[in-house]
Amino acid sequence: QKEVEQNSGPLSVPEGAIASLNCTYSDRGSQSFFWYRQYSGKSPELIMFIYSNGDKEDGRFTAQLNKASQYVSLLIRDSQPSDSATYLCAVKSSGGSNYKLTFGKGTLLTVNP
Amino acid sequence: DAGITQSPRHKVTETGTPVTLRCHQTENHRYMYWYRQDPGHGLRLIHYSYGVKDTDKGEVSDGYSVSRSKTEDFLLTLESATSSQTSVYFCAISGPSQDLLYGYTFGSGTRLTVV
Repeated sequence: QKEVEQNSGPLSVPEGAIASLNCTYSDRGSQSFFWYRQYSGKSPELIMFIYSNGDKEDGRFTAQLNKASQYVSLLIRDSQPSDSATYLCAVKSSGGSNYKLTFGKGTLLTVNP
Repeated sequence: DAGITQSPRHKVTETGTPVTLRCHQTENHRYMYWYRQDPGHGLRLIHYSYGVKDTDKGEVSDGYSVSRSKTEDFLLTLESATSSQTSVYFCAISGPSQDLLYGYTFGSGTRLTVV
């Protein structure tokens, strides 16, 4: 069973701070990694993906990947109240002839004004 | 939502009745997925399709069936609804292919309540 683990939170940070969200995965064959944001009552929305070790930056978001440690993280700089949401980590790996995404249970982030 | 729509958005049904949820895409993507999302369990894959009439089971497929007769439509059927199938159901499509670089795009979801 391929597993993706996230701290359920809630993670609470003040406005303007850096929020750090973490994710570990069990399948060493996993090849690409995604972060989704889900507002309450809404569908998941893709915000970042990464497939190479190291950092990938997009605006206020930075994804970090360490395949040796089977660890992926998402940093949100200058956090805003509008960043308050559940963040889902997803891992793509092969399952036979088809790739599938396996999701973690999500971390609830609250940014306090 | 990037050319993917789900219907109905909300449904209340009685235990033992059949229910069909519809997912329609206008992106002409080959891969389509059905997930359910429950508190404490996250998103779990029910079934997926890799082409017309080509489907396969996910991790929580018991009690569900799917059909895909056209590229644009993927139907999820609960043969005889049970209270444990009360959930939010999301349809998703993959990118233009199932390349490792593509994530999924989700529909708006169907909130199903079985009473």
